[in-house]
Amino acid sequence: IQMTQSPSSVSASVGDRVTITCRASQNINNWLTWYQQRPGEAPNLLIYSASIPRSGVPSRFSGSGSGTEFSLTISSLQPEDFVTYYCQQASTFPTFGQGTRLEIK
Amino acid sequence: QLQLLESGPGLVKPSETLSLTCTVSGDSLTSSPYHWAWVRQSPGGGLEWVGSVHYSGYSAKTSHNPSLKSRVTISVDTSKNQFSLRLASVTAADTAVYYCGRHFSVAGAGSEIDPWGQGILVTVSP
Repeated sequence: IQMTQSPSSVSASVGDRVTITCRASQNINNWLTWYQQRPGEAPNLLIYSASIPRSGVPSRFSGSGSGTEFSLTISSLQPEDFVTYYCQQASTFPTFGQGTRLEIK
Repeated sequence: QLQLLESGPGLVKPSETLSLTCTVSGDSLTSSPYHWAWVRQSPGGGLEWVGSVHYSGYSAKTSHNPSLKSRVTISVDTSKNQFSLRLASVTAADTAVYYCGRHFSVAGAGSEIDPWGQGILVTVSP
């Protein structure tokens, strides 16, 4: 199953609302996970089962979608949010999107 | 608190076998219901699941990415609470940061990987 993540990069300002999209090549129900990765670190789990935030994740992060279309929304960007985000599906075995780099405008 | 730590050589020659170990503290590989995974990240940033192992009863069951065909072997050392990755016949395309991690299942509910180890860079070069 191919995961197409868009955009590959986005420029935004602190306080902006940003949405990242992930599209699956076939139906994956809600088996969609979002990770955040800081430079030089491992990915960190943000959201699983498309919309359930990991404990401790700030409420400005939310996920939605099912089937083939999914999105991660950050409602009000904070300085520490300008890093890279990946989606991952696991309908059969895990595959990842190409990543979205969030840059400060 | 669960912690995972990768170890192994940082440089491997082409056609040789890459061998890495993940030491787990804070959970038991043999009694945990979880699967233990290897994921790699290429220099360009792409993430790729390599494979996972689940210890059930007295044996380890493994699954791996079909794209890696039969080059992948994942095993468990119960005495040391470690699991290991061996990747045979490496090429430059296998150069990556290799992470170990934990997930409840390979597919479906619980497939999210959390936590991850800090990662280890392996370079394939003569």
